[in-house]
Amino acid sequence: QVLLVQSGAEMKKPGSSVTVSCKASGGTFSDFPITWVRQAPGQGLEYMGRIIPILGITNYAQKFQGRLTITADKSTSTIYMDLSSLTIEDTAVYYCARDRGGLHLGTYDYWGQGTLVTVSS
Amino acid sequence: SSEVTQDPAVSVALGQTVRITCQADSLRSYYASWYQQKPGQAPVLVLYGKNYRPSGIPDRFSGSNSGNTASLTITGAQAEDEADYYCNSRDSSSSQPVFGPGTKVTVL
Repeated sequence: QVLLVQSGAEMKKPGSSVTVSCKASGGTFSDFPITWVRQAPGQGLEYMGRIIPILGITNYAQKFQGRLTITADKSTSTIYMDLSSLTIEDTAVYYCARDRGGLHLGTYDYWGQGTLVTVSS
Repeated sequence: SSEVTQDPAVSVALGQTVRITCQADSLRSYYASWYQQKPGQAPVLVLYGKNYRPSGIPDRFSGSNSGNTASLTITGAQAEDEADYYCNSRDSSSSQPVFGPGTKVTVL
């Protein structure tokens, strides 16, 4: 059973950066893409980007190009999501999710518990 | 880009059948995946591919595809099925994942 455990809630100022971690256990960590999805209060789900840990290859949604960085530490089975130049509109719950990959790329079968990031002056 | 549309809300009587649809040009080429989300919880995958259910998902959840439309059907809806349901497909031009806006299912 795959388990994704995310770091705790963050409170940030506009213009700053935030790092959210996602530690995986169970399953084979490096083989599957890990994706970040966010959900603003009362809103829907939004794809941010993903990484294939074994290769270090990333893909970012155009909306986040230039201020989103996703990295993987294979030694600790942890994925990191760094989002910079925060604005109030970045206030959201951020989720990591395992992507089944291959023919089912874009199918997220395991999810972290979510991390609330609040951006406020 | 590929716009994904879903009905904002549907209601169903307890024990009856409800179908939720997801429309996008990309669905002519890619299968959708479907997620159930209850308030304050992370999404849960309920259906993906042609019509696959992850382990633990009741068989009252089923899917179908036709042209640019993917459908999720709940046959014999239960009170615990009340939730938001999101479909996910891909942008036709970039192949990046894109979620639909979600459908709120109310079980009466």
